[in-house]
Amino acid sequence: GQQVMQIPQYQHVQEGEDFTTYCNSSTTLSNIQWYKQRPGGHPVFLIQLVKSGEVKKQKRLTFQFGEAKKNSSLHITATQTTDVGTYFCAGPNAGNNRKLIWGLGTSLAVNP
Amino acid sequence: NAGVTQTPKFRILKIGQSMTLQCTQDMNHNYMYWYRQDPGMGLKLIYYSVGAGITDKGEVPNGYNVSRSTTEDFPLRLELAAPSQTSVYFCASTGGANQPQHFGDGTRLSIL
Repeated sequence: GQQVMQIPQYQHVQEGEDFTTYCNSSTTLSNIQWYKQRPGGHPVFLIQLVKSGEVKKQKRLTFQFGEAKKNSSLHITATQTTDVGTYFCAGPNAGNNRKLIWGLGTSLAVNP
Repeated sequence: NAGVTQTPKFRILKIGQSMTLQCTQDMNHNYMYWYRQDPGMGLKLIYYSVGAGITDKGEVPNGYNVSRSTTEDFPLRLELAAPSQTSVYFCASTGGANQPQHFGDGTRLSIL
């Protein structure tokens, strides 16, 4: 069945280092969404990418959607302790776009 | 706006007991979802609804029931609680397919 895979599963960085997480779909996606979940919290929507090759920035966060619309990445420049959490990508279920297919997330730890 | 409100925040149940997790949203969203998240894992869809009177199963519906009598409310019923249902339960809502999902704070449920 349709899958969305994220790598790495975990990442530890020193504060100030960059961080990238990758999201790969088994099918072409009409769009991809990114969420952040702080420890003990709930997922919070960050951004949605729709167009092939799209790049969007939010301060130190850069999101990319691949040309084939099957992969995406989130890059954080100069991580801060406030970036700690798990980052999830999710795309529409190909057979039923009322549901999202979620990646398992990348957990980011930042050492001060 | 309160967004998505879940009650209770925490609950301990004994095996075989039943309970209802409450979820209400004030954003007039048609789509609502119930997810469970086991420690260190991603989100698994239990049930979802695209409008009042309409519900559908997700990936892991066994042991759960839902109803959607109003646009605002989407309660999740656990019958005959089992230890395997120990998890964090998130309710989410969205205005439609391919739109961001808004999550409640979650209900942390332990079954002993």
